[in-house]
Amino acid sequence: GAVVSQHPSWVICKSGTSVKIECRSLDFQATTMFWYRQFPKQSLMLMATSNEGSKATYEQGVEKDKFLINHASLTLSTLTVTSAHPEDSSFYICSARGAFRDNEQFFGPGTRLTVL
Amino acid sequence: AQTVTQSQPEMSVQEAETVTLSCTYDTSENNYYLFWYKQPPSRQMILVIRQEAYKQQNATENRFSVNFQKAAKSFSLKISDSQLGDTAMYFCAFQDDKIIFGKGTRLHILP
Repeated sequence: GAVVSQHPSWVICKSGTSVKIECRSLDFQATTMFWYRQFPKQSLMLMATSNEGSKATYEQGVEKDKFLINHASLTLSTLTVTSAHPEDSSFYICSARGAFRDNEQFFGPGTRLTVL
Repeated sequence: AQTVTQSQPEMSVQEAETVTLSCTYDTSENNYYLFWYKQPPSRQMILVIRQEAYKQQNATENRFSVNFQKAAKSFSLKISDSQLGDTAMYFCAFQDDKIIFGKGTRLHILP
């Protein structure tokens, strides 16, 4: 299957700083990437959908100015958490979709963000 | 809006037994996909099985099979001959364009 990576896998930052998470499709071109957030013992909640070269589409309740998403190439999308606060601490997972049969999506391994 | 409901927050079963995880969904769409994903402690999402809504035949993958009832909007997962490595969170998911997930069922396989 296709491979999606995320970097970093774990990050700790101070409150008020910004942190960037990268999502890469390693062996395919991802026309669409998705960003999910997962709190402990909860499900994955879709935050936004990004298409290469276009602005991201955010789900209701997700602050677009706080969670900046860039999908500048067919293999890379970034999520920047701006002015992070402890309540932003969570597990962030990206997934990517390319020109595959049945619109199959492939998930990255996730990034654990801890804001102190 | 589409919704996915998993009514069993947690289940336990003895190794080698069969277990069924329930899932219902709501949609007005006619063409869509349904999935079961496994999330072990590593938290990597692993696709267990997929079902296309236009296919009447239930999908199977080795020990994993589904019971897809389109009219009832039900999509249960059966795990046969359960193994210790099956211990994980299991998420039912619906996709027409984007994937949305149910709340999950935590499955414990007991030795």
